[in-house]
Amino acid sequence: AQSVTQLDSQVPVFEEAPVELRCNYSSSVSVYLFWYVQYPNQGLQLLLKYLSGSTLVKGINGFEAEFNKSQTSFHLRKPSVHISDTAEYFCAVRRGGATNKLIFGTGTLLAVQP
Amino acid sequence: DVKVTQSSRYLVKRTGEKVFLECVQDMDHENMFWYRQDPGLGLRLIYFSYDVKMKEKGDIPEGYSVSREKKERFSLILESASTNQTSMYLCASSPGGGRRQPQHFGDGTRLSIL
Repeated sequence: AQSVTQLDSQVPVFEEAPVELRCNYSSSVSVYLFWYVQYPNQGLQLLLKYLSGSTLVKGINGFEAEFNKSQTSFHLRKPSVHISDTAEYFCAVRRGGATNKLIFGTGTLLAVQP
Repeated sequence: DVKVTQSSRYLVKRTGEKVFLECVQDMDHENMFWYRQDPGLGLRLIYFSYDVKMKEKGDIPEGYSVSREKKERFSLILESASTNQTSMYLCASSPGGGRRQPQHFGDGTRLSIL
C-alpha cells in the first residue's frame, strides 16, 4: 500500500535562511508526487508536482523539490525563506488505480522567524 | 483559475443534528473529494465521486454520506453529528480522465459539534 512520511512536524527557521522539508514515500505503482501549501485559515494550494522527466521540479514562490527514486524521497527546498512562507506543507502521492486519489502526509509546519 | 467554494467557513451544530456541508466547483470537473483534516493526522479521505450520482468510500466513511446530483455540487452529510466529528473539512475537485491531474481545494469548513 502507498504511504507518505513527513518526519518533521515542525521546522523553525530564521528569515533568509535555507530550508528543506522532508518527504519519503512508498509506492508500488507509477509515482506521481505533489507538494501542497496551506496558509492559515485557507485551503490547500498546489506548490509543485512530479509526474515524470526531470527529477528537479520547480514550483511557485521559489520552491523546488527533487525526486530521488533510490531513496524514495521528494524533499522540498527553498534557498531563502520569507516570513510569508510560514504555513503548513503537505506532501502527497498518487494512490494506485485509475483515479487520481491521493495519500497525504501528516504535514510540516514551517515557522519562519524574523 | 479553478474555484472551489465551500458554503460555510465556520459552522457550529449540536450533537445528534443532521449536518450538510456544501461544495461547488466551477470548472466542470468530473472528480470531487471530501477530506477531513485533524492536527497530526493530515488529510484523510472521507468520500470520492467520479461522476454524477457515483461515489466511492474513502478511508473514513463511517458516520458520513454524500450526494452528487449535479456535476458541480458535492455535499457531505453527517447523519447524526457527534463530538468526534468536530474537525476541518476540505472539499477538492479535479478533472477526470487522468491520474496526473492535481486536486484543487476549497478554503475549508471548520465544524464544531457541541
